[in-house]
Amino acid sequence: AQKITQTQPGMFVQEKEAVTLDCTYDTSDQSYGLFWYKQPSSGEMIFLIYQGSYDEQNATEGRYSLNFQKARKSANLVISASQLGDSAMYFCAMNPESNRLAFGKGNQVVVIP
Amino acid sequence: NAGVTQTPKFRVLKTGQSMTLLCAQDMNHEYMYWYRQDPGMGLRLIHYSVGEGTTAKGEVPDGYNVSRLKKQNFLLGLESAAPSQTSVYFCASKLAGDSDTQYFGPGTRLTVL
Repeated sequence: AQKITQTQPGMFVQEKEAVTLDCTYDTSDQSYGLFWYKQPSSGEMIFLIYQGSYDEQNATEGRYSLNFQKARKSANLVISASQLGDSAMYFCAMNPESNRLAFGKGNQVVVIP
Repeated sequence: NAGVTQTPKFRVLKTGQSMTLLCAQDMNHEYMYWYRQDPGMGLRLIHYSVGEGTTAKGEVPDGYNVSRLKKQNFLLGLESAAPSQTSVYFCASKLAGDSDTQYFGPGTRLTVL
């Protein structure tokens, strides 16, 4: 079974600074995908970024980038130039060969003006 | 293009009552999923479907049934609601590829008294 670990307590970050959210995973699958979702206080799940296990380059999407270290089984999310609207829960998820997403428990981020 | 919609948005049930949650998607996605989210937890998969007429159990299927009679709809049923089923329920859908992103509905907040 796949396991996703997000262990950081709630994080406070100053507006305009960068923040890194840790995610480690455990799988025996050779092919898998890694996703990050954002859940603001309004409750919806918003897709942010995707990284395939065979992708050689780290994924980037605007202010979001994924620091993928396959050998260490980590897929950390970096949010650059934080904005107040970035305050939310962030979930790391993995899509193994079974096509069933496994989610971590989430990281809470609060951006301070 | 509405994406993924869920009906209802809120519901309060008494123990032992039954209800059906409806998920609809207009993106012609093959795969559909039902998750539940409890406080301090990530999303846990209840049931999923890889195509019209097919369903499969997820991580926490007990107490729930599903049906996928039409490609665009995925129904989640609670035959005899229990307080332990108080949760926020999310539906999601995706295309069939491994790297395809799951897109989520807005969620249904269910309280069982």
